[in-house]
This record gives sequence, structure tokens and C-alpha cells, in this order.
Amino acid sequence: DQQVKQNSPSLSVQEGRISILNCDYTNSMFDYFLWYKKYPAEGPTFLISISSIKDKNEDGRFTVFLNKSAKHLSLHIVPSQPGDSAVYFCAAGGSGGSNYKLTFGKGTLLTVNP
Amino acid sequence: GAVVSQHPSWVICKSGTSVKIECRSLDFQATTMFWYRQFPKQSLMLMATSNEGSKATYEQGVEKDKFLINHASLTLSTLTVTSAHPEDSSFYICSARDPRHRYEQYFGPGTRLTVT
Repeated sequence: DQQVKQNSPSLSVQEGRISILNCDYTNSMFDYFLWYKKYPAEGPTFLISISSIKDKNEDGRFTVFLNKSAKHLSLHIVPSQPGDSAVYFCAAGGSGGSNYKLTFGKGTLLTVNP
Repeated sequence: GAVVSQHPSWVICKSGTSVKIECRSLDFQATTMFWYRQFPKQSLMLMATSNEGSKATYEQGVEKDKFLINHASLTLSTLTVTSAHPEDSSFYICSARDPRHRYEQYFGPGTRLTVT
């Protein structure tokens, strides 16, 4: 049972435009959400996070929006740059226990075209 | 800040041998580290949670005796793949939880293991 879903395996965007990556979750116990960026053959890099007490968090070109009632979050990248081309993973934490495990989605491959 | 190193970055070993992978948090103390495995074009699969000074917690389906995890200090965790077989070939990634933040995990660069 996939608790964190990224339904779009890939997304292609023109340089300078907005990239919107989506993520849905099913476990209402999740209360903390993160986005990671990953290049091939490298470990994921932490981008931005949001707690369930907020509905928006912004860091430079990256903004994460959380809609708890819809169990949906999105990552906006504005403006998109070719260097943003990578796989983006959505992750969620807080499913219970004190081990701070994260549950990851399957990722979305973002391609930013010059 | 929040840098995690992993060594080696790649390793080739023969079937039946054991391989040790090290994961270090360089600029923070990590009471909790995690070991993941990634298959081609797939998501990160959590193998186990490693807590400093205690036994690792393995995810369902992960063989404890095959994937030995040791977290001897606040900055070092090791994963040993024992009696490796070709099906163990994969990309192994560790992460460390920064206790200064809530859930943020910082990942190492990964280790490509090829068993021949």
C-alpha cells in the first residue's frame, strides 16, 4: 500500500517557467513533509520541508504548499532552470513511533529545457 | 552544514564475500541513521533504522543476518553485506537525521555495489 504517491513519473518545463510537482498521501498520521532532489548515482539532497501546522513554506525559488484536507502537497519552482533537472522525491514523516522514519514517493523526473 | 559522507563510492566483489560500507555524519552528531537501497528507476527502499548504541530496526523482508548494521558512535554507522550474491548488487544510500531538526535526513552520496 503506497502511502505517499507521486502520480506523475515525469514533467517537462521550459526554462524560466514554473515547475509544479505534486504529491498525495493517504496516512493522516503524517505531520511533516519534505522534498528531496536527486541526480543519478548520487544521494538525495534536502530541498525544503513543511510542518502540518503550516500551509506554505518558501525558500528562494522553492515553495511548498500543503493542503491537509486534500492530503496533497506541491512543490513550486520559479523560475525553473536547466540545473533543476533531476528526480524529485516527496517524503512524509510522523506515521507513529519515535524512529523518525520517512516514507518516500516514487519520484518525478523533472526536465527543464533551455 | 549537514554533510554526510559514504565510503566506498563503488565496490565490486565476488560472490560469497562480504562488503562493508561506512556512513559518517561530518558536522553533526546523528543519533539515528538510516540505510536505503535503490533499484534502477525506483524509489528509495528503507532497509533499516540504526540507533547509536542499540540494535538496528530492520524493515519487513530485510534479512538481519545478511545486512549487518552497526552504529558504534554518534557519527558512524556501517552496513556489512555478508555472503554477497549478484542479486545484492544495488545502490546503497545512507542518511543521518540531524537532531537539530525534526525529520530532516541528510543523505550520503551512495555506494554502488556490484557482485560478480
